[in-house]
Amino acid sequence: QSALTQPASVSGSPGQSITISCTGTSSDIAYNYVSWYQQHPGKAPKVMIFDVTNRPSGVSNRFSGSKSGNTASLTISGLQAEDEADYFCSSYSSSTTLYVFGTGTKVTVL
Amino acid sequence: QVQLQQSGPGLVKPSQTLSLTCAISGDSVSSKTATWNWIRQSPSRGLEWLGRTWYRSRWYTGYADSVKSRIFINPDTSKNLFSLQLNAMTPEDTALYFCARDPGDTGWSFDSWGQGTRVTVSS
Repeated sequence: QSALTQPASVSGSPGQSITISCTGTSSDIAYNYVSWYQQHPGKAPKVMIFDVTNRPSGVSNRFSGSKSGNTASLTISGLQAEDEADYFCSSYSSSTTLYVFGTGTKVTVL
Repeated sequence: QVQLQQSGPGLVKPSQTLSLTCAISGDSVSSKTATWNWIRQSPSRGLEWLGRTWYRSRWYTGYADSVKSRIFINPDTSKNLFSLQLNAMTPEDTALYFCARDPGDTGWSFDSWGQGTRVTVSS
């Protein structure tokens, strides 16, 4: 089972919006079970989006998710210094390896 | 609020077995909706799901193809925890290991994570 493909890095200035893509296949992203995680150095990942577009309670509405075909996207609006972190997508997979993760994107706030 | 507390050694010799435990507070390992998972992270392999256990009138397990020949995940209802056993460790198994909960009502995602255990495979 191959990892989902993400850009290695994305950057933006405070207040700007950035979008991170996550490309998979008909065996994973095509299902509406895409989630996104934020990970600060030395910490465990934190779920920011589940089921493509849903935010868990307590997550800022500056984070939003979408999907088109086999590519999902995470958009961070009004970029803040605290958003600087690594971001990973994840999806259900129809293979026996049920969960597949993205390669990860480092977000830098300039 | 669910909390997961990991314990286990950080150093394992090649060919030996890794044993980690994940103690659960705020939920039950016998939950009829959640699944209990092990995930690892390394620079070479990224995030990798290893397997899970769950209870739906009886106990089930499921494992990733990459490790299914040498992994066991077991619940311990008396202590409300679950464990990971990974046999025949090699340097390629060097990684940060996490336990995590999929609550079952938020698609296929992990809403609670352990603090992570950094495991090095070296003689």
